[in-house]
Amino acid sequence: GAGVSQSPSNKVTEKGKDVELRCDPISGHTALYWYRQRLGQGLEFLIYFQGNSAPDKSGLPSDRFSAERTGESVSTLTIQRTQQEDSAVYLCASSPGTSGRASNEQFFGPGTRLTVL
Amino acid sequence: QQQVKQSPQSLIVQKGGISIINCAYENTAFDYFPWYQQFPGKGPALLIAIRPDVSEKKEGRFTISFNKSAKQFSLHIMDSQPGDSATYFCAASIKWGSTLGRLYFGRGTQLTVWP
Repeated sequence: GAGVSQSPSNKVTEKGKDVELRCDPISGHTALYWYRQRLGQGLEFLIYFQGNSAPDKSGLPSDRFSAERTGESVSTLTIQRTQQEDSAVYLCASSPGTSGRASNEQFFGPGTRLTVL
Repeated sequence: QQQVKQSPQSLIVQKGGISIINCAYENTAFDYFPWYQQFPGKGPALLIAIRPDVSEKKEGRFTISFNKSAKQFSLHIMDSQPGDSATYFCAASIKWGSTLGRLYFGRGTQLTVWP
């Protein structure tokens, strides 16, 4: 079956431009996460969607970052007025859900490498 | 503030040797501790995971040891192979509250296994 897909795989943009990154989760997965991975660093949580609940936006680093999710399907991460420090790999993950003691294994996409010049 | 601390940052092991990566945490609400493996250009993939009601979990050459009182857990890779060369991340997740399911990651360990 298809895994998590992300597009584009690479994005080069100029400082000050807006970018949109897309994530297609595994079908049927109710939870979706965005993480940021800077070079040589661990994964930094950005935002989390779970079903119809209000998203957990606590990891978004500034108001230039926003994300939307259409139902339990595709999600878009938008970065406005990009800065050089936004350069990183943006990873999306989905999981079946986190009720009770169900597995909360997260399945990651290949990421979008964003370079801000 | 790093909720999960991982060491070492890099590790070089000879083929056939044992690779050991350590992690420590402070938040006693964590109840799920996975290890992820990441190859260059790929997203992380779940390798093995443990819950705090057991002290050890083994899957093939990979073993997690968990010490609840010390709030530490470690990954042991037995008979390390060149194909194990990758970056390994420990993580933890919390069971209650709005951050349910979110993973807190360590900074990663770059493992190189020499043939």
